[in-house]
Amino acid sequence: SQKIEQNSEALNIQEGKTATLTCNYTNYSPAYLQWYRQDPGRGPVFLLLIRENEKEKRKERLKVTFDTTLKQSLFHITASQPADSATYLCALRYNTNAGKSTFGDGTTLTVKP
Amino acid sequence: NAGVTQTPKFRILKIGQSMTLQCTQDMNHNYMYWYRQDPGMGLKLIYYSVGAGITDKGEVPNGYNVSRSTTEDFPLRLELAAPSQTSVYFCAGRDSGNTIYFGEGSWLTVV
Repeated sequence: SQKIEQNSEALNIQEGKTATLTCNYTNYSPAYLQWYRQDPGRGPVFLLLIRENEKEKRKERLKVTFDTTLKQSLFHITASQPADSATYLCALRYNTNAGKSTFGDGTTLTVKP
Repeated sequence: NAGVTQTPKFRILKIGQSMTLQCTQDMNHNYMYWYRQDPGMGLKLIYYSVGAGITDKGEVPNGYNVSRSTTEDFPLRLELAAPSQTSVYFCAGRDSGNTIYFGEGSWLTVV
């Protein structure tokens, strides 16, 4: 079965620095890879989606890369702010899976002022 | 639009009791999902539906049941609650652009 690993449970960085979160997967590449943000006590909120034929996607201070050779996605937050502190989840979706997504366990990012 | 709405927000059940978690959406999603999330863990798929009248099992369906009589509603039924079902439950819907919209979650404790 598909296994997803997000780099570490927790990541602490200083305000203004770039946060880089990693999502690695086994087996075959998904059609889509998504990143979500989850705040304590809330449901996940969609941030970005990248398709298997795309190398990079950007949205404001967020950037996602997708390397199907390495079976890895990197999620970058530039000029990080304390308000970026949250848990970030990556999710894989395959075309054959009736729209089901498989989620990683998440990385909790803390941005210190 | 309210999006995906779940009720109740919090519930305490005794072992062996049954209950239904309600989920309704006003975004006309065909695809709907129920996930559970244990502390510090990712989301595990319980059941999903690709449209009214069609449901199927996810990764962890044991002890649960669903129905999808309308596009809007996708209730999750817990029969004979067990402590292992203590978790946070999220209902979600997916749009045609592959974005998943989650509800705010239902915190369930089985004692």
